Parts: sequence; C-alpha cells; structure tokens
Amino acid sequence: GQSLEQPSEVTAVEGAIVQINCTYQTSGFYGLSWYQQHDGGAPTFLSYNGLDGLEETGRFSSFLSRSDSYGYLLLQELQMKDSASYFCAVSYNNDMRFGAGTRLTVKP
Amino acid sequence: EAGVVQSPRYKIIEKKQPVAFWCNPISGHNTLYWYLQNLGQGPELLIRYENEEAVDDSQLPKDRFSAERLKGVDSTLKIQPAELGDSAVYLCASSPQGSNADTQYFGPGTRLTVL
Repeated sequence: GQSLEQPSEVTAVEGAIVQINCTYQTSGFYGLSWYQQHDGGAPTFLSYNGLDGLEETGRFSSFLSRSDSYGYLLLQELQMKDSASYFCAVSYNNDMRFGAGTRLTVKP
Repeated sequence: EAGVVQSPRYKIIEKKQPVAFWCNPISGHNTLYWYLQNLGQGPELLIRYENEEAVDDSQLPKDRFSAERLKGVDSTLKIQPAELGDSAVYLCASSPQGSNADTQYFGPGTRLTVL
C-alpha cells in the first residue's frame, strides 16, 4: 500500500522560512507533488519532483530524495496569504495518493 | 481557460435520501477524478476515468456510490442512500492524460451535509 507522513501543523512568522517534510512508502513510486489548499478552496498545484534534487518556483522550492523516500516543501519570505494547508502527494501507477496535510499558520 | 466546474457547491440532505454531484472538467482533459475529502484530511480517490472508462474504482463503495462519464466529458457521482458518515467535500479533478507526471486541476468541490 501507500502511506505518507507529514506534520499536522506548523506556525511561523511573516518573512520567515518554513520547511514542511514528507516521508512516504509506496510501490511503483513515480514522483512527489505538493498542493496548497486555502480554507474552503480547491487544492492547487505548487510543484512536482520526478527526480532527486531541488525544484525552485519563486518563493517556493521542493526537494526529493528517492533513496530516502523523503521530500520537503520550502517556503521563503512567508506572507500572511501563505496560511493554508499543504499536501504532499505521491504519484504511482497513474494514480495519486495525498498525505493528511500540514496546516501552516503565518503570524504577523 | 475555464477551470473544473462542479455543482452544486453545497448540499444538505437527510439520511437515506439520494444525492448527485456534477462535474465538468477542463476542456480536452481526458482523465477525470472524483475525490472525497474529510475535514482535516487529504483528498482520497474514489474513482478515476480515462475518457469514458472507469480505470480505477477500487475505493468506491459500490453498495451506495455510483458514477458515470457517458460521453467522456461531464461526470456525475451519485450516493443512494446517503448516510451520516458521507458528510464531506466531494472534489472533482481533471488532468490532460492521467500520466504520473500530470498536474491535477481541482474544482471547488461540493460540500455535502447529511442530517
């Protein structure tokens, strides 16, 4: 089966840097994605890692280590609008399994 | 480009009643997904369509849930009869080809409350 672990909550202040970790166990692993979801909103795609290493998109970066079954999402220069839930998701066999999500609260 | 459209946005029904949700994916997207999301949890896949074909419905509770995508575009998810535990947000998503590297685009969801 597939399983993902990520912290349930993270709190940080505006302007800070925060890292959200994700560990996974899955057969047929293909890649790791990150999605953002504001309260009452739809999950929206942030980043995808198919290969080991760091992918950078503006203030957000995502990292993958396939040998360690581990990845993280790095958010820099935090803004209040970044307060949301962040989900890691593994792709396998053309399906996707989501983690339970990390609720990020950004404080002034 | 229009995103994934779902209706209704909210639905309140009494237990044992039937309910249906509708989804229109992004134009040209062959793959359509229905997810269930409980409060504080991640989306859980119910069924995946490649065009008209349901290629993964292993997580769909088939005793009460059914889905269809007759012309390979719009899709309907039905629950009959609904139970209290079905209260959740039902999300529809689509992707171009459904490959492992595809981004999934989600609709706003239908929030179902069963009383």
